[in-house]
Formats: sequence, C-alpha cells, structure tokens
Amino acid sequence: AQTVTQSQPEMSVQEAETVTLSCTYDTSESDYYLFWYKQPPSRQMILVIRQEAYKQQNATENRFSVNFQKAAKSFSLKISDSQLGDAAMYFCAYRSPGANSKLTFGKGITLSVRP
Amino acid sequence: GAGVSQSPRYKVAKRGQDVALRCDPISGHVSLFWYQQALGQGPEFLTYFQNEAQLDKSGLPSDRFFAERPEGSVSTLKIQRTQQEDSAVYLCASSLGQGWPGYTFGSGTRLTVV
Repeated sequence: AQTVTQSQPEMSVQEAETVTLSCTYDTSESDYYLFWYKQPPSRQMILVIRQEAYKQQNATENRFSVNFQKAAKSFSLKISDSQLGDAAMYFCAYRSPGANSKLTFGKGITLSVRP
Repeated sequence: GAGVSQSPRYKVAKRGQDVALRCDPISGHVSLFWYQQALGQGPEFLTYFQNEAQLDKSGLPSDRFFAERPEGSVSTLKIQRTQQEDSAVYLCASSLGQGWPGYTFGSGTRLTVV
C-alpha cells in the first residue's frame, strides 16, 4: 500500500518570501500521480499542482512549483512571493493510474503567512 | 452544476441517530468518491462509484456506513446509529473517470455527534 508522509505540522512565512513544504511517499509502482491540494477554512480541497511520475520536468503553476525527486520519493512544493491568501492547510496526495484509483493523502501542513 | 455540491454543510446528530449526507457531482462526471476527514488529519478514502456501480467500499469503517448512487448522479452517504468517533468532515469528489487524474471536491459536510 502507498503511504504519504508530511512531517512538518506547521510552517510560517513572511509575505512576499518563499517557502517550501516537504512531502515524501512510499510506493512500489513506477507510474503514478502526485498532487498538492490547498484546503482553506471553507473546507473545499483546491488543486494547486499535479505531477505525473513519468515526466522528468518539474511542474509549475504560476507562483507554485514542485521539486520531484522520483528516486528519493520526494515531492516538495515551493511557493514564491507568498501572499496572505496562501494561508491554509496543504495536503500532499498520491494516486495510482487507473480510473478506480483513490487519493492517498498525507496529514497536511498548516501554512501561515505573516504580513 | 458548476461544482460539486454537498448538503447539509453542517449536521449535528445525537448519538444513535441515523444521518444522510448528500453529494451532487458535476454533471457528466462518471467517478464519485467519498472521503472522511477527522479533525487535523488528511482525508481518508471511504468508497468509490463509477456511474451507479459501487466498485470499491473497502474504506467504509463499519457496516453502519452505507453509500448509494442509484441513477449514477447524486450520491448519498448514510450512517446508522451514529457514534462520537463518526464526527468528521465528509468530503465528496467527482471526476470524468477513464483514468482522468483530476478531481473536483465539494466543501464537505461537517458532522458532529453529541
């Protein structure tokens, strides 16, 4: 079974600075998807960024980018130019390929942004 | 609809009461998932539907939990004889299916059992 580990329960960043959120995972599969989701107090899970394991190039979405290290099974999220609206819980998640596959989430990290 | 809609947004149940939580997925989405999120934790998988067929219910914690999606659209998660450990946020997500990796989540139902 796959597992996702987020070892940092909380992080804080100064507005306009850069922060990196860590995630490691364990799997025996060679093909899979990795995700970072943001969950604000409204509770809705919002997709931040997605990485396909077969792609060597790290995914980027505006101020958000990942450092995907397949051999090390590491998938960190970098948020550049942090904004007050980035404050939320962030979850790393794993998904096997296939229509029936569920998401396996880490425990999450609470990110606060200092003005 | 434009998004995944869940109702009620909040539910307080007395221990032993039955509850029903509703999920209205995005129109045309084949796949539908239910997740349970305890306070301060990540969501955990409960069950999965492809159209009206429940293909995976391995995450349901006990036989008090039951889910259905009779017409392949709206889904209901029912919890019988609620207990305090059932208190959590219940999230629904839908997807186009056929291996499409993206999911859209609803805002969840927060269930509190007193």
